[in-house]
Amino acid sequence: QVQLQESGPGLVKPSETLSLTCTVSGVSISSHYWNWIRQSPGKGLEWIGYVYYTGITKYNPSLKSRVTMSVDTSKNQFSLKLTSVTAADTAVYFCARRGLCTDGNCQGYNNWFDPWGQGTLVTVSS
Amino acid sequence: DIVLTQSPDFLAVSLGERATISCKSNQSVLFTSNNKNYLAWYQQKPGQPPKLLFYWASTRESGVPDRFSGSGSGTDFTLTISSLQAEDVAVYSCQQYFNLPFTFGPGTKVDLK
Repeated sequence: QVQLQESGPGLVKPSETLSLTCTVSGVSISSHYWNWIRQSPGKGLEWIGYVYYTGITKYNPSLKSRVTMSVDTSKNQFSLKLTSVTAADTAVYFCARRGLCTDGNCQGYNNWFDPWGQGTLVTVSS
Repeated sequence: DIVLTQSPDFLAVSLGERATISCKSNQSVLFTSNNKNYLAWYQQKPGQPPKLLFYWASTRESGVPDRFSGSGSGTDFTLTISSLQAEDVAVYSCQQYFNLPFTFGPGTKVDLK
């Protein structure tokens, strides 16, 4: 059973860097693409980006200048860094795996999300 | 970005009755070369992460009860719960993966009448 668990500080000061880690169990992190998604009351669910163990990344253009994602295969973890945070970055942050392609005909477009971690609330405040 | 809108925002349904949620996209998410709609549906209960219900608009995820169905094509999609159960009280959201960035609808809250 694949499980994901987010971890990191729950409080970050404005202008500082938000750093989160997602620990994956039940599957090798090298086998899939991994996503970060956040949810805030004002903006609903927002996809932040994805990372593959080779270093391939795709970020939401709205956040691209501030986001970095990476994978640590030795720990079966992937991480998110978001710089220069403001109150608008206050949200519940989820990690999620790219969906499984069960019919062998997805051509890499299986970009739904399953499973998800439980989420971690990050508040940006001084 | 592809914008998804959902209606209604809130839906109150009696136990055993049908619930119907609409998701509309401002551009088609149908890839004509494979005839697949790049749309997923999720269910989110309070304090929990979203749970995948459907992908390719109508492919039911394993373990999802068959009272749930997904339909539609192009820009107009529907999630139907044929006979609402108490455990179906949740927020339902659609998501497109046709274009980057992947985007979500704002959600429809379903509650008991």
